[in-house]
Amino acid sequence: DAGITQSPRHKVTETGTPVTLRCHQTENHRYMYWYRQDPGHGLRLIHYSYGVKDTDKGEVSDGYSVSRSKTEDFLLTLESATSSQTSVYFCAITPTAHSGANVLTFGAGSRLTVL
Amino acid sequence: DAKTTQPTSMDCAEGRAANLPCNHSTISGNEYVYWYRQIHSQGPQYIIHGLKNNETNEMASLIITEDRKSSTLILPHATLRDTAVYYCIVDNAGNMLTFGGGTRLMVKP
Repeated sequence: DAGITQSPRHKVTETGTPVTLRCHQTENHRYMYWYRQDPGHGLRLIHYSYGVKDTDKGEVSDGYSVSRSKTEDFLLTLESATSSQTSVYFCAITPTAHSGANVLTFGAGSRLTVL
Repeated sequence: DAKTTQPTSMDCAEGRAANLPCNHSTISGNEYVYWYRQIHSQGPQYIIHGLKNNETNEMASLIITEDRKSSTLILPHATLRDTAVYYCIVDNAGNMLTFGGGTRLMVKP
C-alpha cells in the first residue's frame, strides 16, 4: 500500500526466539497501530501509538511490546515467541484528523509462523 | 464503542447491486459508521464512512437510517473483484477501531 510498508512480509521462527516486525510510513501520520488477524477472530488491536514515544495497549497486548522512536517507524516485538502468536500482523496508520473521523490505511501484512 | 451485527455471508450476481446490511442499534450520537473490506490475503481497505447523512464516493454508497440504528453499504455494479469480507464498524472518532467478523460477499458470474 502506498506510504506504508511492513517487513518482513513472511517469517518462520521457533518458539522462544525474539521477533521484531517493522512498520514504516512515509505519510508523517501521527497514529500507528498493530493488529493481528486469526481465523474466526477478525482483526484485533495489539498496540497503538499516538506520537513518538507515546504508545498504549490494545485488546490483545499480552506477550507484545512496541516502540516508536521516530514518526515513521513503529516496531512490534515478541520477546519470546509462542505458537499462539502465529498470525498475520497488520500495521495501520491514520492522520491527525480527517473531518473528525478516523480512516485507517493498512499495510500488506506480515505472516508470522512460530514452530 | 457500539457493537455491530452483520450477516455472515451473502451472494451477489456480477453486474447487479450488492446491498450489505449492518445493524448498530446501540450507536451513540457522536459515533461514525465505517465500512472497510478485505480481499483475500490483503490488508483491509477503507471504503466509506458517515455520521448521519447518506454518503457516496467512487467505490460505494452508504445509506444510514434516520434513527441511525442500521445502515446499508451499496456497491452499485458488483464485479468479481468485489468478492471480499466487508466490515461495518462504529466508532466515535477515537484512536481504535474494532473489527468484528464481517460479511463475506461472493460475487458470482
